[in-house]
Amino acid sequence: AQSVTQLDSHVSVSEGTPVLLRCNYSSSYSPSLFWYVQHPNKGLQLLLKYTSAATLVKGINGFEAEFKKSETSFHLTKPSAHMSDAAEYFCVVSTSGTYKYIFGTGTRLKVLA
Amino acid sequence: DSGVTQTPKHLITATGQRVTLRCSPRSGDLSVYWYQQSLDQGLQFLIQYYNGEERAKGNILERFSAQQFPDLHSELNLSSLELGDSALYFCASSSWTSGTRYQETQYFGPGTRLLVL
Repeated sequence: AQSVTQLDSHVSVSEGTPVLLRCNYSSSYSPSLFWYVQHPNKGLQLLLKYTSAATLVKGINGFEAEFKKSETSFHLTKPSAHMSDAAEYFCVVSTSGTYKYIFGTGTRLKVLA
Repeated sequence: DSGVTQTPKHLITATGQRVTLRCSPRSGDLSVYWYQQSLDQGLQFLIQYYNGEERAKGNILERFSAQQFPDLHSELNLSSLELGDSALYFCASSSWTSGTRYQETQYFGPGTRLLVL
């Protein structure tokens, strides 16, 4: 069975400091992994996705995620937070052939001036 | 802009009523998914259609139903509404990409916010 755990429900960082949002997954088969961002009162926007071509995935707005099979992790990082990064972030796992996304519970990122 | 459109953006109705939410997928996408997002339950997958046929069901109540039409737009019908049905309802459409393996990526619409009074 697939599952995804976002280890922090809330993360606060100061503007200009690094961001780390943690995600661990469980999947019987090779997973597809995604990060989505949801700004207040907005839909979900795809940040990046793991395609198995490279373990370090670059996304939009300076975000990156690294797939670590040994740790079953797919943590999201950004070197320098911007005020506009304040939003809720969702880690998603999907296994090829299941047609289903399994969402994490979300991490709310707060960026302090 | 994901290319997925949803109407209406907001909907206010009373308990016991019926509403219809509409979704138009991205051009070329054959799959449509419906999700419910509420404060207490997070994002829940409701149902998926692929090229007009139901493909997968999630936590969809019997009072809810959906369909996908020949032009690929989809409608989610919610009936006998209860206060607890107040939520944000998202539609997503998907495309498949091939590379080292096939991978599906879902693109989400802006959502319909339903308030049941």
